[in-house]
Amino acid sequence: EIQLVESGGALIQPGGSLRLSCVASGFIFSNYEMNWVRQAPGKGLECVSYIDRDSRIKYYADSVKGRFTISRDNAENSLYLQMNSLTAEDTAIYYCVREDGEPAAKDVWGQGTTVTVSS
Amino acid sequence: AIQMTQSPSSLSASVGDRVIITCRASQDIRNALGWYQQKPGKVPKLLIYAASSLQSGVPSRFSGSGSGTDFILTISSLQPEDFATYYCLQDYSSWHTFGGGTKVEIK
Repeated sequence: EIQLVESGGALIQPGGSLRLSCVASGFIFSNYEMNWVRQAPGKGLECVSYIDRDSRIKYYADSVKGRFTISRDNAENSLYLQMNSLTAEDTAIYYCVREDGEPAAKDVWGQGTTVTVSS
Repeated sequence: AIQMTQSPSSLSASVGDRVIITCRASQDIRNALGWYQQKPGKVPKLLIYAASSLQSGVPSRFSGSGSGTDFILTISSLQPEDFATYYCLQDYSSWHTFGGGTKVEIK
């Protein structure tokens, strides 16, 4: 079964740091580009970060640039998001998402992990 | 960044109705457009990719059309399980952006 399982979400104080993890199974992880997509409470979907198969190309939303770092370990079938200097605006469910390779085809989503930034 | 404008932001419809949702890009995105369905408390699900290609396992009552800047998601005969929020997504540019969403509610 193709699966993405996120972990690492927590309640954290403003200014704090958190590292999200996503473990992939059921497919050849190294063959796929990956993303983090978030959804704030009651809001829409926002692409946070993207990484290509070889970790050579990385993109970030302007709202997180300089604070978040995406990485992957293909040997461990894992995707990561290091989040620093967190603010209340970062409060959201964070989804690990696979790119199928076809246009606009984010075809596999994890169940999400919740990050709450509050004092 | 390319802006994606969805309309309407919400609509009320009855089972069996034909539903049309539109998405407009702020610049030409060719066919780099997808449609996603999200039910309350659930994970988003890919319905359509490449503007008009139906994702495997998605019912044929869903269809997508358009290219360039204007795109349409059509649900030919709304079913009870289709009440949800729908998002368009572009990935033509290096930065991918979602539309604001369209909530489809029961009339």
